[in-house]
Amino acid sequence: AQKITQTQPGMFVQEKEAVTLDCTYDTSDQSYGLFWYKQPSSGEMIFLIYQGSYDEQNATEGRYSLNFQKARKSANLVISASQLGDSAMYFCAMREGLIQGAQKLVFGQGTRLTINP
Amino acid sequence: ETGVTQTPRHLVMGMTNKKSLKCEQHLGHNAMYWYKQSAKKPLELMFVYNFKEQTENNSVPSRFSPECPNSSHLFLHLHTLQPEDSALYLCASSQGTGLQETQYFGPGTRLLVL
Repeated sequence: AQKITQTQPGMFVQEKEAVTLDCTYDTSDQSYGLFWYKQPSSGEMIFLIYQGSYDEQNATEGRYSLNFQKARKSANLVISASQLGDSAMYFCAMREGLIQGAQKLVFGQGTRLTINP
Repeated sequence: ETGVTQTPRHLVMGMTNKKSLKCEQHLGHNAMYWYKQSAKKPLELMFVYNFKEQTENNSVPSRFSPECPNSSHLFLHLHTLQPEDSALYLCASSQGTGLQETQYFGPGTRLLVL
């Protein structure tokens, strides 16, 4: 079974609008972390935001916020006031368990976001 | 330089060639990772090193051989690859074991096997 599900292969949004990218996850761990990464066409994976399973408040980082609904096992990324530079692939990832001190991240298949002028 | 760097950025090789990918992190982290990103597939974890010790080999074929001489450098040695090995190879590093530890990625090496 997939651990991370991103149901939107592609999204098109007008510049300056807000956009929500969906992510649902599956885990039996009580302690886990959720991450969002951005991957422009250049290839580099850029860390955007993190949410811990025990965090009571939704994470925010500038224009990025994470709508964390634990009971529904969803961790949607919200980008406010979208910009042309936001066009990229976006990946949701979950950290569960430890490999002798190192993390193991499981990634979703990604959503390609295109911002139209 | 800062962050995670990878060289080369692009590589074209024949199936009989031997080449190496290099990754260097300037973040003082203890763990380093190799990922493979193929078209239309999620990132696949290949190898994990923690304090220079390999802690994960995710069923990777032996034609991929990792090397971690110290906590700052990671190599992926390639030999007798197949065309299906063409992909973006990403290196990442993380500090430690805290719940909030983030993996930071390099720009990747785009590999084409002919």
